[in-house]
Amino acid sequence: DADVTQTPRNRITKTGKRIMLECSQTKGHDRMYWYRQDPGLGLRLIYYSFDVKDINKGEISDGYSVSRQAQAKFSLSLESAIPNQTALYFCATSESGYNSPLHFGNGTRLTVT
Amino acid sequence: GDSVTQMEGPVTLSEEAFLTINCTYTATGYPSLFWYVQYPGEGLQLLLKATKADDKGSNKGFEATYRKETTSFHLEKGSVQVSDSAVYFCALTGAGGYQKVTFGTGTKLQVIP
Repeated sequence: DADVTQTPRNRITKTGKRIMLECSQTKGHDRMYWYRQDPGLGLRLIYYSFDVKDINKGEISDGYSVSRQAQAKFSLSLESAIPNQTALYFCATSESGYNSPLHFGNGTRLTVT
Repeated sequence: GDSVTQMEGPVTLSEEAFLTINCTYTATGYPSLFWYVQYPGEGLQLLLKATKADDKGSNKGFEATYRKETTSFHLEKGSVQVSDSAVYFCALTGAGGYQKVTFGTGTKLQVIP
């Protein structure tokens, strides 16, 4: 089983709909992240959380919100989806501390029509 | 702010060819440097890392040396295989506070038999 699991793997939704992407991990890491990947732009950080009570905005948080329901669960919501939120979304985890690498899920491909 | 610049792709090589993917960075202080690899349909996974100047990271036949004088971390492999076909991302973790990860835009490698 994957250490970082994202659901759904693919989702098509319409403009204006609310949608939630879910992430769960069995690695026991405190830190969790949501990234967005677009062709030619690399990965951009949406939100990050260092523990259940610590949630922070990343570089592109507008139009998104998150919830850290437990140490192992971190969900991303699009309150009112728009077409330019069509992208590949990744959840990642890491241990605390400098130099700790990120561990990624397999991604959710979201299409907003 | 911090930035990472990678060579444009895609890169197409024949099996057993020598691979170099260039990566240069801009950062204050002493960042840690990483290469991640993304196989089709999967999330990114750590390939190798180096945490201080002149360190060499290596894994699966890939190598990269942290060159502070040229602010570079080029990825090399002596003999590529078809199974190395993937997208490669250079990244850095800045010093101080929250160690935000800055990614390059990725370089797609295709290895043909």
